[in-house]
Amino acid sequence: NAGVTQTPKFQVLKTGQSMTLQCAQDMNHEYMSWYRQDPGMGLRLIHYSVGAGITDQGEVPNGYNVSRSTTEDFPLRLLSAAPSQTSVYFCASSRRGRETGETQYFGPGTRLLVL
Amino acid sequence: AQKVTQAQTEISVVEKEDVTLDCVYETRDTTYYLFWYKQPPSGELVFLIRRNSFDEQNEISGRYSWNFQKSTSSFNFTITASQVVDSAVYFCALRGFYNQGGKLIFGQGTELSVKP
Repeated sequence: NAGVTQTPKFQVLKTGQSMTLQCAQDMNHEYMSWYRQDPGMGLRLIHYSVGAGITDQGEVPNGYNVSRSTTEDFPLRLLSAAPSQTSVYFCASSRRGRETGETQYFGPGTRLLVL
Repeated sequence: AQKVTQAQTEISVVEKEDVTLDCVYETRDTTYYLFWYKQPPSGELVFLIRRNSFDEQNEISGRYSWNFQKSTSSFNFTITASQVVDSAVYFCALRGFYNQGGKLIFGQGTELSVKP
């Protein structure tokens, strides 16, 4: 299993540009999430999904869009990039169920720089 | 509201020293899960351990041990005989039982530097 994969690894954008961060998992996990990591703030949840066709907002959703058309993929769209969106983005997935505690497994991250 | 606090921003030790990373949490849920993740300099997030709120047994895995105390809302992580490879940022995280989608509340992280 490749686990959780993310592309690209690194991206530079200009203010106002849009882009999509890709995330895929091959573990057949029901749940997927996007977090951003900023210095001194830990990871904060942007959006999450409990299954194909179902998404919801996390703590910091503004400026981001998600959709989940398949179990495997959960892309994150930046609609109009701003310097405040410079961050490292992590995608995670987890299996539903008490026996796993719904432990989240993370992708390698995408480092985004908005100029 | 749920919150995780890791008061130690940075810790520096010399190899072979023992080190404890503190984690204090807040939640109103009676059932919840606590996690520790390691983020080495390469940047990925590595799952270390999960603890259920109804199981207060401490756990040891090699040089790693975890002390869960419900009475003080703490879930501390100790590395015995630290090694340079332990240098990383360590995150404590909380998931309330009713948090849909497995979503986590993270602490700010503790950066551990182990010097030879």
